[in-house]
Order: sequence, then C-alpha cells, then structure tokens
Amino acid sequence: AQRVTQPEKLLSVFKGAPVELKCNYSYSGSPELFWYVQYSRQRLQLLLRHISRESIKGFTADLNKGETSFHLKKPFAQEEDSAMYYCALRGQGNTPLVFGKGTRLSVIA
Amino acid sequence: GAVVSQHPSWVICKSGTSVKIECRSLDFQATTMFWYRQFPKQSLMLMATSNEGSKATYEQGVEKDKFLINHASLTLSTLTVTSAHPEDSSFYICSARDLEGTDTQYFGPGTRLTVL
Repeated sequence: AQRVTQPEKLLSVFKGAPVELKCNYSYSGSPELFWYVQYSRQRLQLLLRHISRESIKGFTADLNKGETSFHLKKPFAQEEDSAMYYCALRGQGNTPLVFGKGTRLSVIA
Repeated sequence: GAVVSQHPSWVICKSGTSVKIECRSLDFQATTMFWYRQFPKQSLMLMATSNEGSKATYEQGVEKDKFLINHASLTLSTLTVTSAHPEDSSFYICSARDLEGTDTQYFGPGTRLTVL
C-alpha cells in the first residue's frame, strides 16, 4: 500500500532560520516523490519533484531510499514561504498522486 | 503553461438537488483526470480516477452512484453530486496530468460546495 506521512501539522520558524519539513513514505516499488505547496487562497502547485533534483525558491529535497524519506529543506526561511506544504507519492504507471496530511509552515518576522 | 480550470468556483444548493462540477484541461489533453475532496484543514483525499471514454475508477468508500463522473473528451471531466446532503459539503478539486508535455499533475482551483 502507498502511504505518505508528514509528522508535523504545524511548523513555525523565524525568518532567516533553516527549515526542514519531514516526509516519509511507504511503497513497494520505485515511487516518484513530489512536494506541492498551497499558498493562501491559491490552488495547489508543484514545488519540486525528486527526479528533477533542482532547487526551487531555495528549497531542495533529496530522496533517501534507505530511510524512505523525502524531507524538504531551505537554509533561510522567508516570510513568503508561509504556506501549506504537501508531500506526495506516485507509483508506477499513470496513477494518481497520494498525499500526506500536509504541514503548515509559518515564518515569523 | 498548462492550466486546469474548474467551474463553478463555489455553489450553494438545497438538500436533495444535484450539482455538476466541470473540470477542463487548458493547453493540453488529459486522458486521465483525478477528483479529490478536501475537508477544512485536512489533506486531499482521492475520490476517483476519471478515464476518457470509459468508466471512472472509484476509491474504496466512495459511492459511485452518489458521485457520477463523466469524461467525455480529452479536455473535460465532470463530477455530479447527486441528491446532495449537508455532509457532501466540501471542497472538490480536480487534477489532470500532462503526460505528453511536462508530465506534471496540475490542479484546478477547486469548487466549494455548500449543501443547505
């Protein structure tokens, strides 16, 4: 069964502090992992995906198959990073995304 | 870039009536679309996978006769909530995957349904 776990419902950090949003998954094959972000009153949008191995808005995430984790990190948080962040997994084939419960990031000035 | 639109963005209806929500993929064709439901301050829960030209695949616990899905073309899927009740009030979000292009799953803005 596919499952995505985001242990923190809410994460508050000060502006300029490092951020790490945790995500663990369970899947028997080779999944694709994603981070989606939802800013206030906006639709869900893709932040980054593990196969791209790129940095978006200063965020990075590395897939650790041994620990089955895909934590999202940013070295210096900005106020505009405040949003809801969802980790998502997609199995093989044309299958839907399965989401974690989300973590609300609040960056305090 | 690729966009998914939904209509209406919000709807209020009386208990017992039916409501249709449209989901369109703009600038790309989607053989598969997905319908999610989101309760306040909760994550997205997959309801069903909509397949163009064939029957939708429903997740466990989702009533197919209650939530009718039609995927009549490569750019349009509709979700009809039949005989709506107050417990059907929720935020419904559709999504489509741009398989031929960016291979990204794009999301619509959502439709807020309130059943009185």
